Amino acid sequence: ELKVEQNPLFLSMQEGKNYTIYCNYSTTSDRLYWYRQDPGKSLESLFVLLSNGAVKQEGRLMASLDTKARLSTLHITAAVHDLSATYFCASAAGNQFYFGTGTSLTVIP
Amino acid sequence: NAGVTQTPKFRILKIGQSMTLQCTQDMNHNYMYWYRQDPGMGLKLIYYSVGAGITDKGEVPNGYNVSRSTTEDFPLRLELAAPSQTSVYFCASSQRGRRSYEQYFGPGTRLTVT
Repeated sequence: ELKVEQNPLFLSMQEGKNYTIYCNYSTTSDRLYWYRQDPGKSLESLFVLLSNGAVKQEGRLMASLDTKARLSTLHITAAVHDLSATYFCASAAGNQFYFGTGTSLTVIP
Repeated sequence: NAGVTQTPKFRILKIGQSMTLQCTQDMNHNYMYWYRQDPGMGLKLIYYSVGAGITDKGEVPNGYNVSRSTTEDFPLRLELAAPSQTSVYFCASSQRGRRSYEQYFGPGTRLTVT
């Protein structure tokens, strides 16, 4: 069974600062996903990473994948309050999906 | 397009009751999924389907059943509700080969079993 670990679990950061969320997975996977979830809401897809070295950027968020280290990162640049949410990574192997427990991000003005 | 829709939004069940959670997508996606999310946790895959008539188990299938008679619909059945099934249930769909396997999620069904 594939295990996915995220850290940190909780992150409080000031507006304008940079930070990185880490996602480690335990076995070979086909693709790595990042999602955002606002309180009481559904999940919004942010990125899908398919190959080693893949990097995707959208606004202040950038995701990367290192399949050899079984590590994905979500980098936040110059955080703003609107980025406050819970961020999940998920690793997929075939049709099976395994989610991390999430990183709850709070951006403080 | 409405995307992925789920009904009901909320439901309270008594122990031992049965119910069906409905999921419909209008994007002509082949792949559909059911997840559950317990408080403060990530999602766990219950069942998935790769097309009409084809379903398979995910990580936590016990206590649930699914069927997929059409491309659009993927209902989830709870036969004998137990308190451990109290959770938020999300349905999702995707179309491999397009949009890089991106998954689209429904709004969720919040289920309480007492």
